Amino acid sequence: KQEVTQIPAALSVPEGENLVLNCSFTDSAIYNLQWFRQDPGKGLTSLLLIQSSQREQTSGRLNASLDKSSGRSTLYIAASQPGDSATYLCAVRPFSGAGSYQLTFGKGTKLSVIP
Amino acid sequence: DVKVTQSSRYLVKRTGEKVFLECVQDMDHENMFWYRQDPGLGLRLIYFSYDVKMKEKGDIPEGYSVSREKKERFSLILESASTNQTSMYLCASREQGARNYQPQHFGDGTRLSIL
Repeated sequence: KQEVTQIPAALSVPEGENLVLNCSFTDSAIYNLQWFRQDPGKGLTSLLLIQSSQREQTSGRLNASLDKSSGRSTLYIAASQPGDSATYLCAVRPFSGAGSYQLTFGKGTKLSVIP
Repeated sequence: DVKVTQSSRYLVKRTGEKVFLECVQDMDHENMFWYRQDPGLGLRLIYFSYDVKMKEKGDIPEGYSVSREKKERFSLILESASTNQTSMYLCASREQGARNYQPQHFGDGTRLSIL
């Protein structure tokens, strides 16, 4: 069964730093990997989607990479700002079977950017 | 932009009540999902629907049922609410797509308390 792990569970950085959030998954047979942001008490906002054939995706100050063979993805945030403070979740979509409709989520990394 | 709307942000019900959570999406997406999110457990899939009138059990369907009579609306039903169903409930939708490469889009969530 696919398992997704995000380490660390929480991270605190000063404003302006570049940072990397990590996501690992146990089964490399995936359609894609999606990074989300969740603010307290709110739903999930999709940040980036990387297809299994891609190595990275970029949106503004965010860059997500995917190394499917090693079961790893990273989310790089450049020049962090207090407004980036949130919980970041990664999720993978399995490649086949009935489970291919659903996502398997990590438990998230809670990021705090200190002014 | 995709809009996924959940009918209530906060809901308080009593043990034994029948509870309806409603979700509507405006992008003609085929797939819709209901998750619950609990501290330490992350997001877990309750049910999903890959098209109108179709439904599939997720990882934790016990105590829940769903209804999808129209493409834009996916309802989650707690047949007889219990205190262990107190949680944040998140609805999502996704375009089926020819190659299954589409992202999931989430609503803002319903925080349900069962007293």
